[in-house]
Formats: sequence, structure tokens, C-alpha cells
Amino acid sequence: KQEVTQIPAALSVPEGENLVLNCSFTDSAIYNLQWFRQDPGKGLTSLLLIQSSQREQTSGRLNASLDKSSGRSTLYIAASQPGDSATYLCAVKGNYQLIWGAGTKLIIKP
Amino acid sequence: KAGVTQTPRYLIKTRGQQVTLSCSPISGHRSVSWYQQTPGQGLQFLFEYFSETQRNKGNFPGRFSGRQFSNSRSEMNVSTLELGDSALYLCASSLGRYDDTQYFGPGTRLTVL
Repeated sequence: KQEVTQIPAALSVPEGENLVLNCSFTDSAIYNLQWFRQDPGKGLTSLLLIQSSQREQTSGRLNASLDKSSGRSTLYIAASQPGDSATYLCAVKGNYQLIWGAGTKLIIKP
Repeated sequence: KAGVTQTPRYLIKTRGQQVTLSCSPISGHRSVSWYQQTPGQGLQFLFEYFSETQRNKGNFPGRFSGRQFSNSRSEMNVSTLELGDSALYLCASSLGRYDDTQYFGPGTRLTVL
């Protein structure tokens, strides 16, 4: 049974710092891995999707990597800004559904 | 292109009632998935519909059901509501391939009193 873990559960950093969020999963048989952000009381915004055959994806200040063999993904955020404050969730796509981590709550202090 | 829309955005019901939530996918998307999000359990998959057929189902009781119409719009129904059904219900649409990106709506916040 696939399990997804995100560490840390919460992170608070000063504005301008580069940071890394971690996601690990137990079963390497995945179609893809997706990173989302969720603002309080809101729905989910897709940030990056990495197919199982890919190693990384980049969008602006965000870079996500995938290492299927070790069951790990990282989301790198460069030059963090207060607007990046949100909960970041990773989800792996198995046979037919997304399996979710519990999220990392990120606070960027001005 | 319009995003995924969900109605209503907020709903308050009492135990024992039933509720119907609606989701309109992005134009051209044929797959709609439903998820429940609670503080205790996080995000959990309810079911997925593709071309009017339920393609996959999560581990929820039969009180949770859904359907999809020919225009890909989907509805989710919960009968005999329980306090534990209070949650944010999210729907997501995609083209329908297993490796597709899923695009989420803003969710319906259901409170059961």
C-alpha cells in the first residue's frame, strides 16, 4: 500500500532564503508525482508534475526533482517571498488515484 | 479557458439529511475525480468518473455516490449525513489519461450539525 510522507510538517524561514521541501513514497510503481499548493480555505493549485520517466521539472523559482529508486522527491523554492506562504502537498499517481502526503505548512517571514 | 467550478461553495446540513454537490470540469476534460479533505485524515480519494462511467472508487461507504453527465459535469451525493462527513470536498478534472495533470476546483465546504 502506497504511503506518502512529507517532512517537515511546518517550516518558517525569512524572506529571500532558498528552501527545500521533501516528499517520500513507499512504492516506486507510480505514473507521476505532482506538487500542489493550498492557501487557507482554498482549493489546490498545481505547481509541477513530474512523469515517472523524468528526473526534474522547473517553473520559475520552483524546481522539483524525482528519484523513483529511492522513493523521494524534493521541491526547491528559490528566493522565497511572503506570497509563497501556503501549505505544499505532494501526491503520487498510482493505478487510478492520487495518494497524498499530509503537507508542509510554509511561512515566509518578511 | 475557464477552470473547474464547484457549487455550492458552502453548505450547512444536519445529521440524517442528504446533500448533492456539483462539479463542472474544464472544457474538453472527460475525467472528474472527487476528494474529501479533513484535518484528521487529510486528502482522500472518493471516486473517479470518465465518460459517464465510474472508473475507480476509494474506500468510502455506499452513502457516498456520484454520477457524470454527457457534458462531463459531475455530481456527488452523500446520503444520511454524519457529523464526520464535515469536510472540504474537492473535485478535479483531467483529460483522462492516467499520467495527466489534475486541475482542482475551489471546493465545497460541507458542515454537518
